[in-house]
Amino acid sequence: DQQVKQNSPSLSVQEGRISILNCDYTNSMFDYFLWYKKYPAEGPTFLISISSIKDKNEDGRFTVFLNKSAKHLSLHIVPSQPGDSAVYFCAASARAGNNRKLIWGLGTSLAVNP
Amino acid sequence: DVKVTQSSRYLVKRTGEKVFLECVQDMDHENMFWYRQDPGLGLRLIYFSYDVKMKEKGDIPEGYSVSREKKERFSLILESASTNQTSMYLCASRTGGIEKLFFGSGTQLSVL
Repeated sequence: DQQVKQNSPSLSVQEGRISILNCDYTNSMFDYFLWYKKYPAEGPTFLISISSIKDKNEDGRFTVFLNKSAKHLSLHIVPSQPGDSAVYFCAASARAGNNRKLIWGLGTSLAVNP
Repeated sequence: DVKVTQSSRYLVKRTGEKVFLECVQDMDHENMFWYRQDPGLGLRLIYFSYDVKMKEKGDIPEGYSVSREKKERFSLILESASTNQTSMYLCASRTGGIEKLFFGSGTQLSVL
């Protein structure tokens, strides 16, 4: 039972346009969300995060939006660049006992075409 | 700059061999993790450790064990490698209470 879902396995976007990657979650206890980017044969790198007390967080070309009522978050990349071509993972965090546990989506492969 | 180092980028082993994957972090992080990544299956947690000599099973611990004798080092052990353990293995660390994980570059393990 997947608690974090990235329903689009892949996405193709033209360079300069907006890329929108979506993520849905089912557990209302999640209170912190992260996006990671992964290139082939490399480890994931942190991109941007958002706390559940906010509905938007922005860092340069990357913006994450959180809609708690819909249990939905999205990552916007504007403008998209060929170097953004990678797999993007959404992750959600909730407290589990004395620690916090990250639950991962399956990833969306983004291709930005020149 | 933060650094998580995995000892091998590529590894080829034979079925039945005992395999050691090493991970070292230089950030004095309390928490360390081992994941595997397979196409279409995302990142799956194998084992994690919240402190030295502590370990907890993740979602897919079968066929694996871990060792954390020092704070900076977290080892993943495949007791008897099997072909279904062919995968990309990723080590990660973080400071306790902070969600952000730092990942190593990964080890692509092939079991023949």
